[in-house]
Amino acid sequence: EPEVTQTPSHQVTQMGQEVILRCVPISNHLYFYWYRQILGQKVEFLVSFYNNEISEKSEIFDDQFSVERPDGSNFTLKIRSTKLEDSAMYFCASSEERGETQYFGPGTRLLVL
Amino acid sequence: AQSVSQHNHHVILSEAASLELGCNYSYGGTVNLFWYVQYPGQHLQLLLKYFSGDPLVKGIKGFEAEFIKSKFSFNLRKPSVQWSDTAEYFCAVKTNFGNEKLTFGTGTRLTIIP
Repeated sequence: EPEVTQTPSHQVTQMGQEVILRCVPISNHLYFYWYRQILGQKVEFLVSFYNNEISEKSEIFDDQFSVERPDGSNFTLKIRSTKLEDSAMYFCASSEERGETQYFGPGTRLLVL
Repeated sequence: AQSVSQHNHHVILSEAASLELGCNYSYGGTVNLFWYVQYPGQHLQLLLKYFSGDPLVKGIKGFEAEFIKSKFSFNLRKPSVQWSDTAEYFCAVKTNFGNEKLTFGTGTRLTIIP
């Protein structure tokens, strides 16, 4: 069964550094998403992406964040200058059509020191 | 804005006991409802979903959930749990108002004692 994959599984970075989290959505899916879960808190929506554009973003997704689909398979989340409070598990998800079920990847655990 | 409440934070049951995990949402319009499960060390997996039709939906591994519109609830049930059901369970809602985001509850940690 096709799955969403994410790399790396863990990332440790220094405050102020840039990080890029990578995701490979399911191959025939057209809609892509990033969520995050700060330890002990809810899974929170960050952004949705379709047709090379952001279709929706939350108030968390400020100018420090950006998303890109650099080629036909990868979907990336970039945090330009990481802060301590960016430490979280970041989940990528994809869906075949708008409004359909979102399938999640295993997550990248980001630790900002 | 929509929100989801899961009132049970940690549930401990013995094998073969019956399970019901509560989920309530707040949104006045049409919703799609989901239960996801996260087994230890694994990613979020879809257990079941409700989009429309029969309000009693059946999912994988013997789970079911009932959408009660008047109560804004979508409780998860299983008649007889197994040790392998130990996991974290998340209820999520998506409105049909044009946005794509899933709004999650805080999750319920389920521990099954053999």
